[in-house]
Amino acid sequence: EAGVTQFPSHSVIEKGQTVTLRCDPISGHDNLYWYRRVMGKEIKFLLHFVKESKQDESGMPNNRFLAERTGGTYSTLKVQPAELEDSGVYFCASSQGGGVIDEQYFGPGTRLTVT
Amino acid sequence: QKEVEQDPGPLSVPEGAIVSLNCTYSNSAFQYFMWYRQYSRKGPELLMYTYSSGNKEDGRFTAQVDKSSKYISLFIRDSQPSDSATYLCAMRAPGRRALTFGSGTRLQVQP
Repeated sequence: EAGVTQFPSHSVIEKGQTVTLRCDPISGHDNLYWYRRVMGKEIKFLLHFVKESKQDESGMPNNRFLAERTGGTYSTLKVQPAELEDSGVYFCASSQGGGVIDEQYFGPGTRLTVT
Repeated sequence: QKEVEQDPGPLSVPEGAIVSLNCTYSNSAFQYFMWYRQYSRKGPELLMYTYSSGNKEDGRFTAQVDKSSKYISLFIRDSQPSDSATYLCAMRAPGRRALTFGSGTRLQVQP
C-alpha cells in the first residue's frame, strides 16, 4: 500500500511568488492534515480536513495560505504571496478516522525555501 | 512558553546503552501521548502511543506517562545504530485531532 505522497519534494521561490504544494493521502483515508516545521522550531499543526470539509483550521498563520481538498482526495496548499518566514518543511498526514488514537501517517514533506 | 518542551540534544550513546528521552508539557487537557521517530529527509513515523497515564512496552521500547508531573518518557533498551534518528514527542487533547509536537531530540547510537 502506498504511503502519503507529497509533491514537490523541494521548492525554491522568490519572495512574493506563489507556490502550490500537493498531498496525496493514503487511499481510503478521510482525514488529511497539514503541518509545517520552520527552521529551528517544532512541527506545528496547520489544518485538518475530513473528506473535503475543513474541520479545524486554527493553525493557519494568515490569509496568504489557502488549503483545498476538492473531491475529498488529494489536497493542495497554496502560499500567495510567499514571504521569507514561510520557509520550512511542510508535512501532510492522513488517517482513517477510527481506533484509539487514529494514527496519522506522515508524508516525507515538501521543503520550501523562499529567497 | 511552549506547550511541549523537549531537549533537542544531540544525544550520543554507545551501542547497547539504555536511552531515556523526555518531554514536559503544560496543557492538562492532553490525554493522548505519542512518540514519533523521524529519519533524515523522511516524515515522522509513529513509534508508540499511550492513552492517559501509565506505561506501555513494545519490544525494546517503553513509553511512560506521568500526568501528575506532566512528564512523558521513552526508554530504548539495547540501543542499536539503526535507532539513530530524531525522536519527537506529540500529544493531543480529546475531541481534537491536531497534534502538538516537541521540538525533537536527535539521537546518535555509536557502533
